Amino acid sequence: GDSVTQMEGPVTLSEEAFLTINCTYTATGYPSLFWYVQYPGEGLQLLLKATKADDKGSNKGFEATYRKETTSFHLEKGSVQVSDSAVYFCALTQTGANNLFFGTGTRLTVIP
Amino acid sequence: DVKVTQSSRYLVKRTGEKVFLECVQDMDHENMFWYRQDPGLGLRLIYFSYDVKMKEKGDIPEGYSVSREKKERFSLILESASTNQTSMYLCASIFGLRNTEAFFGQGTRLTVV
Repeated sequence: GDSVTQMEGPVTLSEEAFLTINCTYTATGYPSLFWYVQYPGEGLQLLLKATKADDKGSNKGFEATYRKETTSFHLEKGSVQVSDSAVYFCALTQTGANNLFFGTGTRLTVIP
Repeated sequence: DVKVTQSSRYLVKRTGEKVFLECVQDMDHENMFWYRQDPGLGLRLIYFSYDVKMKEKGDIPEGYSVSREKKERFSLILESASTNQTSMYLCASIFGLRNTEAFFGQGTRLTVV
């Protein structure tokens, strides 16, 4: 079945450091790929998405490229801020029922 | 601009009580989901529904049931609350197409004492 495997955390970085959070997926067909972010005490919200191979999603300085050849969708940011501290979830969707699959989440803490 | 609303942010219930968690979405989505989130375990799917009165078990349905009488509302029911059901509960909805995003409620932190 479809699944998402995400780099385990927690990750602790200093402000202005480079961030990578790895995500790989297993899926039939042509899924869409997403990164969601969860700030403390909140639900998840969409950070970025890519709907086909080689697409790059970007938002708030974060980027991820849909790599079909490596079945990956790694999240990157060149310079993290304290306000980026949150839990990040990689996800995929397929057409049809029960079409939403999440990774286990990676907690990021950015220290000043 | 609220799209998915969960009825409570925080709940405290006693062991053995019947607990109802409500979720309402205003986007006419077919698919709705209930997850629980625990430290180190990520999101675990309890139940999902792909249409009115239709439901499917997720990964951890034991001790829970659901109801979807109207398209916009998906209720999670704890038949007899236990302390191991203390958790954050998240509701989500999504349109049926693969390239659309899921929308989440703000979560309900349930404590069973």
